[in-house]
Amino acid sequence: AQSVTQLDSHVSVSEGTPVLLRCNYSSSYSPSLFWYVQHPNKGLQLLLKYTSAATLVKGINGFEAEFKKSETSFHLTKPSAHMSDAAEYFCVVSENTGRRALTFGSGTRLQVQP
Amino acid sequence: DAGVTQSPTHLIKTRGQHVTLRCSPISGHKSVSWYQQVLGQGPQFIFQYYEKEERGRGNFPDRFSARQFPNYSSELNVNALLLGDSALYLCASSFLGNTEAFFGQGTRLTVV
Repeated sequence: AQSVTQLDSHVSVSEGTPVLLRCNYSSSYSPSLFWYVQHPNKGLQLLLKYTSAATLVKGINGFEAEFKKSETSFHLTKPSAHMSDAAEYFCVVSENTGRRALTFGSGTRLQVQP
Repeated sequence: DAGVTQSPTHLIKTRGQHVTLRCSPISGHKSVSWYQQVLGQGPQFIFQYYEKEERGRGNFPDRFSARQFPNYSSELNVNALLLGDSALYLCASSFLGNTEAFFGQGTRLTVV
């Protein structure tokens, strides 16, 4: 079985300051991990993915995440927040088995203050 | 290129009615998955189809069913609608069942 825990339901930062969104996962198999972003009334957009290659993954819009197997974590970071980053962020796990159902965390709402 | 398209974008149904939601995957993608996103929560997996066969099913009642057509488009059907079925229904397509998933904008279903 697989599961994802997003440790913060809301994160508020000031524009220009770093962003840290925390995610821990549980998986019986070697997982693939993803971060998706959802802007209001929009679909889900893939930010980045980890699929057992480099543990530091770079994504779109300056976001990156580091896979730490020993800590079962996959935290999302960005050096400098922009107003347009305000959205809901989902950490997602998929086990590398025949069925590739995605298991989503409960989401973290990022607010960016001017 | 067109992304994943879903129709309709919004609809309102009455309890006990039936609803059909439609999804067209990205051209060349053979796998379609359906997710339910209740307000304030993360999406929950409902079904995955690959090459017109069901490859996975989430923890949803038998009132939920789906199918995939030869052109890889898909329908999600929900019978005997309940108020709790009100949600955003998302469709995702991928080239194979185990590759990156691309999501549509979703269908917002309201059951009254």
